[in-house]
This record gives sequence, structure tokens and C-alpha cells, in this order.
Amino acid sequence: EVQLVESGGGLVQPGRSLRLSCAASGFTFDDYALVWVRQAAGKGLEWVSGISWDSGSIGYADSVQGRFTISRDNAQNSLFLQMYSLRPEDSALYFCARSPYGDYVGFPYDYWGQGTLVTVSS
Amino acid sequence: EIVLTQSPGTLSLSPGERAALSCRASQSVSSTSLAWYQQKPGQAPRLLIYGASSRATGIPDRFSGSGSGTDFTLTISRLEPEDFAVFYCQQHESSPSTFGQGTKLEIK
Repeated sequence: EVQLVESGGGLVQPGRSLRLSCAASGFTFDDYALVWVRQAAGKGLEWVSGISWDSGSIGYADSVQGRFTISRDNAQNSLFLQMYSLRPEDSALYFCARSPYGDYVGFPYDYWGQGTLVTVSS
Repeated sequence: EIVLTQSPGTLSLSPGERAALSCRASQSVSSTSLAWYQQKPGQAPRLLIYGASSRATGIPDRFSGSGSGTDFTLTISRLEPEDFAVFYCQQHESSPSTFGQGTKLEIK
């Protein structure tokens, strides 16, 4: 059974950093691209970042470019999102999701985690 | 960035009725790059339709997708009680991928 389990969320002050993790199981991790998608409370879905199977292709939304860094550890079946200079508008439930192929561009997301909540507030 | 506009914002229907949800793109999107998701309260989104018209694994055949270019539609032929949720379209043709703002399907 494919599982994606996010962790690392919490309450953080504006300007501080936070690192999210996504632990994967039930599939051959390094065959698939992964993405982060966030959802502010009561709002819609916003694509944040994506990474290909080999980390050779990476992309970010304009809203997080230069502040967030996506990475993966294929040996540990884990995906990460390092978030710097956090702003109140970054507050959201952060989902990791899987692309059914090795690239994150050009494919939908077939499995999702349950999300980890990030709250940026003083 | 491709902007997706969904309509209506809220759709009120009764079980057994037919639902048609619209997704319009600000520029042409390849049919292979348009997907639909369903999200229920407190849950992650679930992939319903990919490639504009192909059902994802385990999705009942009352769900169907159609359209091309800039206009796409998700149709639910006969609503079941468990179908009421928020639905999002997504284009993944180019980066950044974008989602529509969602259509809430509620019980009338």
C-alpha cells in the first residue's frame, strides 16, 4: 500500500525557518517524482514545489522561489521541504504527493499524504 | 502561468441528479495535462480524472471528464451521497502546475 506521511509542521514566528519531511512507503521511491502542494485554511490548492526522481529537475512556485528548498533522499525514502524566511501567508496544510512517473511536470498526482500544518504567527 | 477558472463556485443538487462542473483555462491546455480531484473535509485530494477523460483507478463510472483546449467539464451522472465534496481541476502541462479555485458540490 502506497503511503506518504508528512511531518515537521508547527507554529513558527515570521522570518524563521522550518523543515518538512515526507516519509514514503509501499512503492519504489526512486522511480517517482514528488511534489509539495499547500492549502491555506478554507482555501484552494496551491502547487509549491516539485522534484524529479533523481533530483535533476526541480521547480518552485513564484511565491516561494528563493525561500524554499525541496530535496529528497532516495536511500531513506524521504522528501523534504526546507522553508526559510517564513511569512504569515505561508500558513497552510502542506501535502506531499506523488507523480506516477519520474518527472513532476506533465503528470497528475496519484497519491497524497494527509498533510502537516504550518502556522506562521508571532 | 496558466489560470484555471472553475464554475460555478457552489452547486446545490440532490442525490440522483446530474452534476456538470466547468473548468476554463486562460490559454489552451493539452488534453493529456488536465486532471480533476475530489476533496472531502479533513481529507487529502483524490485523483478522479486524468488526461481530461480517463478515470483513475477505482473511480466509479458515474464520473466522466470531457473537453479540450480551454474548456473542460467534469460530469457526475447520478449523484450518490458520498459524492458531495469540493472538486478541483489542475493543469500539469507546464511548471508551475496550477489548480482551479474549486467547485463545492453540496446537497440541496
